[in-house]
Amino acid sequence: KAGVTQTPRYLIKTRGQQVTLSCSPISGHRSVSWYQQTPGQGLQFLFEYFSETQRNKGNFPGRFSGRQFSNSRSEMNVSTLELGDSALYLCASSFYPTGELFFGEGSRLTVL
Amino acid sequence: QQPVQSPQAVILREGEDAVINCSSSKALYSVHWYRQKHGEAPVFLMILLKGGEQKGHEKISASFNEKKQQSSLYLTASQLSYSGTYFCGTVPFLDNDMRFGAGTRLTVKP
Repeated sequence: KAGVTQTPRYLIKTRGQQVTLSCSPISGHRSVSWYQQTPGQGLQFLFEYFSETQRNKGNFPGRFSGRQFSNSRSEMNVSTLELGDSALYLCASSFYPTGELFFGEGSRLTVL
Repeated sequence: QQPVQSPQAVILREGEDAVINCSSSKALYSVHWYRQKHGEAPVFLMILLKGGEQKGHEKISASFNEKKQQSSLYLTASQLSYSGTYFCGTVPFLDNDMRFGAGTRLTVKP
């Protein structure tokens, strides 16, 4: 079956702009989590959605937001981009919250 | 709160063994282990749900000490394909979300 699909794979933005990243989970998975990965920081938890509801949110500023649609697809948005937002953003889906995670290839964001 | 992994990095020769540790300050419901190869997405290795549980996958196994909120990943007779960064993910009882450690970079040399 198809894996987790993230779009776009690469993008370059300038400070102050906003960006929207998309994640299509594995069919049948209703839980979607987002992580920010930077060198030396590992995987930082952003938020998790299950059945269109945000269950948990990590320690990130309000500029980071997300949502999940009725088909379980999820989007995350970062407004007023800062240089420090440059990172690989990984989406993971699972059949149930805290279950085995299946990761997408990620969206690599560069902020100039 | 992130779990703490150790060591940060380890270099092995083929056939050698390694242990990667993961500890949390919170009582844990489960521990996950993932491996990420360079330029690829993390891949699930195993999940441990009970205190004292041990699981294995070929020559990679793990234990979970519920009382100490610690888990260890054991790689025996390492192969070149084991190279990558290993992450533990912990799910505390009260928080019910998964947080990852900073990762352990494992390099296996011929």
